[in-house]
Amino acid sequence: QKEVEQNSGPLSVPEGAIASLNCTYSDRGSQSFFWYRQYSGKSPELIMSIYSNGDKEDGRFTAQLNKASQYVSLLIRDSQPSDSATYLCAVRPKAAGNKLTFGGGTRVLVKP
Amino acid sequence: DGGITQSPKYLFRKEGQNVTLSCEQNLNHDAMYWYRQDPGQGLRLIYYSQIVNDFQKGDIAEGYSVSREKKESFPLTVTSAQKNPTAFYLCASTLTGFPQHFGDGTRLSIL
Repeated sequence: QKEVEQNSGPLSVPEGAIASLNCTYSDRGSQSFFWYRQYSGKSPELIMSIYSNGDKEDGRFTAQLNKASQYVSLLIRDSQPSDSATYLCAVRPKAAGNKLTFGGGTRVLVKP
Repeated sequence: DGGITQSPKYLFRKEGQNVTLSCEQNLNHDAMYWYRQDPGQGLRLIYYSQIVNDFQKGDIAEGYSVSREKKESFPLTVTSAQKNPTAFYLCASTLTGFPQHFGDGTRLSIL
């Protein structure tokens, strides 16, 4: 079992719809969770961080964390073609210091 | 401007050659990291350093070496022992307890 798992996609959504991305992790003691957006050929860019159970909203993005079920999700509302990218889930396992474990990423395609 | 600078953007390696990728940050971050990304894959940790003059192996350290002589700099050497070096190499840095931020990356290919 991989430590951080994501559906590789592509997740195809029409413009204006909600894109829903999921990520599961194996280390129950993990404390910090991050979503990065990576455009093709570019480096990852941090878009959301979440540390406690529940929802965290930032503009069109909402991160949801459920530590009991060991999953974290990202919702993108009013999806735009510019949201087309690969979204990487990263988890900071317990006792890992500042180290992160990354999932393989979910590719999102927003169609006009 | 503050940031993480990786150079060169593109690098080509000949058989049997060692090459060094540069990573410099002026963010006063304590920790620095090197990742490798293969096409369509996530990031895999090569080496990381929490403080100057100290570094630890990540998940795929074989064939790579690093140094951390200055807080601002964390160069990565891809040695000839790394038989499949073609990949996108990403450097990241962070303050303790904060998210990692990335440089623009170096794309390494074999001639």
